[in-house]
Amino acid sequence: AQSVAQPEDQVNVAEGNPLTVKCTYSVSGNPYLFWYVQYPNRGLQFLLKYITGDNLVKGSYGFEAEFNKSQTSFHLKKPSALVSDSALYFCAVQSGGSYIPTFGRGTSLIVHP
Amino acid sequence: EAGVVQSPRYKIIEKKQPVAFWCNPISGHNTLYWYRQNLGQGPELLIRYENEEAVDDSQLPKDRFSAERLKGVDSTLKIQPAELGDSAVYLCASSLGLAEQFFGPGTRLTVL
Repeated sequence: AQSVAQPEDQVNVAEGNPLTVKCTYSVSGNPYLFWYVQYPNRGLQFLLKYITGDNLVKGSYGFEAEFNKSQTSFHLKKPSALVSDSALYFCAVQSGGSYIPTFGRGTSLIVHP
Repeated sequence: EAGVVQSPRYKIIEKKQPVAFWCNPISGHNTLYWYRQNLGQGPELLIRYENEEAVDDSQLPKDRFSAERLKGVDSTLKIQPAELGDSAVYLCASSLGLAEQFFGPGTRLTVL
């Protein structure tokens, strides 16, 4: 079985400060890891993914994530937060070769002006 | 390029009534997913299609839910009869194989 944990329901950060949204996972075999963002009344939008290669993955809108195999983590980061980054962020994992992702519960990111 | 299209965006029905949701995936995407997202939760897979074949449907409550993807393009998800607990957002997504998924805006279903 595969699972994802997003330990924080909400993350608050001031505009211009760095942000981190945490994600840990459990999966058999090599993981495929994804981050998606959801704005109000919208579907999920892909941000970035890790399949293989460099542990540091760069994605859309200045976001990046670091794959840490020993800690089974895939935290989302951004050096300087914008108010427009405020949204719901979902981490997802699927085992290599599987088409079925498991999503976390989501973390609400609030960036204060 | 058009994204994933879903309709309707909102639906309010009384319990025991039928309801249907429609999805048109991104052109050329062979894999189509239907998810249910409850408030405060991540999406949960209901069914996955590879072209016109349903290949993962273990989470689909088959006593009341059905789905089809004729000709391997657009898809319809149906609930009959609807129950109060079916109130949720129903998301459709498509992808090329194991790549990232592209989601539609969803249909928010309210069952009264």
